[in-house]
Amino acid sequence: QQQVKQSPQSLIVQKGGIPIINCAYENTAFDYFPWYQQFPGKGPALLIAIRPDVSEKKEGRFTISFNKSAKQFSLHIMDSQPGDSATYFCAVGGFKTIFGAGTRLFVKA
Amino acid sequence: DAGVIQSPRHEVTEMGQEVTLRCKPISGHNSLFWYRQTMMRGLELLIYFNNNVPIDDSGMPEDRFSAKMPNASFSTLKIQPSEPRDSAVYFCASSLTGTSGLNTGELFFGEGSRLTVL
Repeated sequence: QQQVKQSPQSLIVQKGGIPIINCAYENTAFDYFPWYQQFPGKGPALLIAIRPDVSEKKEGRFTISFNKSAKQFSLHIMDSQPGDSATYFCAVGGFKTIFGAGTRLFVKA
Repeated sequence: DAGVIQSPRHEVTEMGQEVTLRCKPISGHNSLFWYRQTMMRGLELLIYFNNNVPIDDSGMPEDRFSAKMPNASFSTLKIQPSEPRDSAVYFCASSLTGTSGLNTGELFFGEGSRLTVL
């Protein structure tokens, strides 16, 4: 049962562009919505997270937009840099954390 | 803090052999998770422990897989007998979970154990 659907699978943008990654979840049993970043050969690391009582959260160049009624949330990366090239995972947290399939982002110099 | 420590980092074994993966969580964390990552299936939650007790093992693929947490600073994931389709990167993660039991905090991942079963 796929509880978290993430799109797109991969994304290529130019330096300075604003990649957007989307996530949709299937039930309301979750109350924590993090995004993780993973570089090759490393474990995922928390990038930014939001709780359902707010609709947007910004940390530096990273922004989460959250739509509780639509059960969707997205990650925006402002002024993207080649160093942002990585795999990004959305996740939903409740009694356990379930991850989306991941988005491979490549930022061209 | 040293972070979550996993061993071995790489393991190559032959089909039918027993494989044991080890994890030392961050000191003070009370929840521990084992995930498996493959290209086809992404990050799958296999099992998680809270206060050393297995809470949900519904993600364990089959009886060939078992996990233990004998104390707060050590966990193992064992595959016996191993099969080629078990080839994957296995991650251990730990977190601090509140008294409600809800996992609403950061997961700290180890660097993973890459398993290849020939």
